[in-house]
Amino acid sequence: KNQVEQSPQSLIILEGKNCTLQCNYTVSPFSNLRWYKQDTGRGPVSLTIMTFSENTKSNGRYTATLDADTKQSSLHITASQLSDSASYICVVSANSGGYQKVTFGIGTKLQVIP
Amino acid sequence: NAGVTQTPKFQVLKTGQSMTLQCAQDMNHEYMSWYRQDPGMGLRLIHYSVGAGITDQGEVPNGYNVSRSTTEDFPLRLLSAAPSQTSVYFCASSEGRRQYFGPGTRLTVT
Repeated sequence: KNQVEQSPQSLIILEGKNCTLQCNYTVSPFSNLRWYKQDTGRGPVSLTIMTFSENTKSNGRYTATLDADTKQSSLHITASQLSDSASYICVVSANSGGYQKVTFGIGTKLQVIP
Repeated sequence: NAGVTQTPKFQVLKTGQSMTLQCAQDMNHEYMSWYRQDPGMGLRLIHYSVGAGITDQGEVPNGYNVSRSTTEDFPLRLLSAAPSQTSVYFCASSEGRRQYFGPGTRLTVT
């Protein structure tokens, strides 16, 4: 069964600090991995998309890494800001009979405090 | 360019009532989908459509119907609401690997 597990479930950090969120998956055959940011009461917004051949992708202060061999990904947030407070969702897609089957993680809830 | 829009934002239904959640996109995407998001669970796919006139079931389709008469619109119908359908519903449209979500509809069934 395709699964995506994220850790930690929640995290509190001080403004200006860095943090790293983890994602482990058992999805196969792997197609791509995406990280989303979901603000409270809003829909998810895409941060990064990585395919099998990409092991790093950046979007401003967000840097995602992918190790397809160990089936792990991380999202590193640099110099956190109050606006980074949100849930971060890891999403992994598998190729399945001509279309993509998408599995969502539960998310990591990040709170940045002053 | 409004992206993906959903209405209503909030809705309270009584058990057995029916309603339609509206979803529209102005990006001319062929692929659209509906998800529900429940506490402690990842988003789960309800139904999806690969183009006008073509729909298919996702992971949790029971109790929901969809149709796709135009590229822009993809409504989700609850035929007879049940408390188990209390959730936040998201519509999304996709182009390639990029997926765009609407703001969501928070539905409570009492």
